[in-house]
Amino acid sequence: GDSVTQTEGLVTLTEGLPVMLNCTYQTIYSNPFLFWYVHYLNESPRLLLKSSTDNKRTEHQGFHATLHKSSSSFHLQKSSAQLSDSALYYCALSDPGYQNFYFGKGTSLTVIP
Amino acid sequence: EAAVTQSPRNKVTVTGGNVTLSCRQTNSHNYMYWYRQDTGHGLRLIHYSYGAGNLQIGDVPDGYKATRTTQEDFFLLLELASPSQTSLYFCASSDWGEGQNTLYFGAGTRLSVL
Repeated sequence: GDSVTQTEGLVTLTEGLPVMLNCTYQTIYSNPFLFWYVHYLNESPRLLLKSSTDNKRTEHQGFHATLHKSSSSFHLQKSSAQLSDSALYYCALSDPGYQNFYFGKGTSLTVIP
Repeated sequence: EAAVTQSPRNKVTVTGGNVTLSCRQTNSHNYMYWYRQDTGHGLRLIHYSYGAGNLQIGDVPDGYKATRTTQEDFFLLLELASPSQTSLYFCASSDWGEGQNTLYFGAGTRLSVL
């Protein structure tokens, strides 16, 4: 079945350093949508960015990700971490065949001064 | 902006208690979902629905019932609550179509089962 793997459960970074959160997926569907959702403390999880186009960079709020179907990856990156980036980040996959979403276990990012 | 409202925001009950979590969306979305969020497990799907009267089983349905009474309203029922159901619960809605498959989440309900 479909699944999403986020290898890091906890990431702690110093402000100003680059961010890279890993996401790989498994699906039988040839045209999946991949998403990054962000969950700030005491707020609702919300969409950060999404893509279904192979090898095209998607950007939003300083973050970017590129869907690589050849490696089944959709890693989230940012050039310089800010304190306000501290949050829980989820990678997710949607399978239009079943109108469902599959989430990874999440990566908790903490940015320290 | 899409809107999903959950109530109550916090709930405490005892083992064996009866709990109903409510969710209303004003997005005119067909699909609604109930997730639970737990450290180390992330977001896990309990039940979902694609319209009034419809119910689909998710990945962790044991101990939960759900009912979709209207397009707007989706309820999660715990009829014999257990401590293992202590969690943060999120409701979400979505529609499906070209580029329209984004989940919109409510603010969550924090449930404690003592």
